[in-house]
Amino acid sequence: EAQVTQNPRYLITVTGKKLTVTCSQNMNHEYMSWYRQDPGLGLRQIYYSMNVEVTDKGDVPEGYKVSRKEKRNFPLILESPSPNQTSLYFCASRNPGQLYGYTFGSGTRLTVV
Amino acid sequence: QKEVEQDPGPLSVPEGAIVSLNCTYSNSAFQYFMWYRQYSRKGPELLMYTYSSGNKEDGRFTAQVDKSSKYISLFIRDSQPSDSATYLCAMSAGGAQKLVFGQGTRLTINP
Repeated sequence: EAQVTQNPRYLITVTGKKLTVTCSQNMNHEYMSWYRQDPGLGLRQIYYSMNVEVTDKGDVPEGYKVSRKEKRNFPLILESPSPNQTSLYFCASRNPGQLYGYTFGSGTRLTVV
Repeated sequence: QKEVEQDPGPLSVPEGAIVSLNCTYSNSAFQYFMWYRQYSRKGPELLMYTYSSGNKEDGRFTAQVDKSSKYISLFIRDSQPSDSATYLCAMSAGGAQKLVFGQGTRLTINP
């Protein structure tokens, strides 16, 4: 089944403790992206990657890092999480010709206390 | 001002009603317009898409784009309880450009 898989689905952590949210896709997509979803703000792009070793900032990159060492994986790293990063996170992927949007993962609910 | 504005609702209607969901936008470069549906505890799924201005129909769903007014709509006919979800509009200027989302409208269809 074609899908984007995120792990974990739920995570509660403490301020300052480094964490990684993994994202993997099995569709050989070139483009991958991370979004956060907050009430009243919709989905906002954090980082995106157009291919292996090619990444760039989205609208809200502060406090996040990403890497793209393999085509299928695009982990999101929070080196020192803070409470304002409590949110619902989505990874998504598509191919360059797939203009009508991404395939999204099921989301990671992160709470930073 | 946000690039894309969407009334967050919530919107609650009886089963069988016609539902109208709308978004306005400010970036005239947007050419690709989408509607995503998001069920609780799930990721968004592409529901409808249109290019530039015009209408597109798929079963009970109709998407409309009016680029002159920078306004897009999604109509749901004969609404069903299974249509209860959050609906997000999204748009892009194309190519490698990012999707820009509205805030999402939470819709409940009451049996």
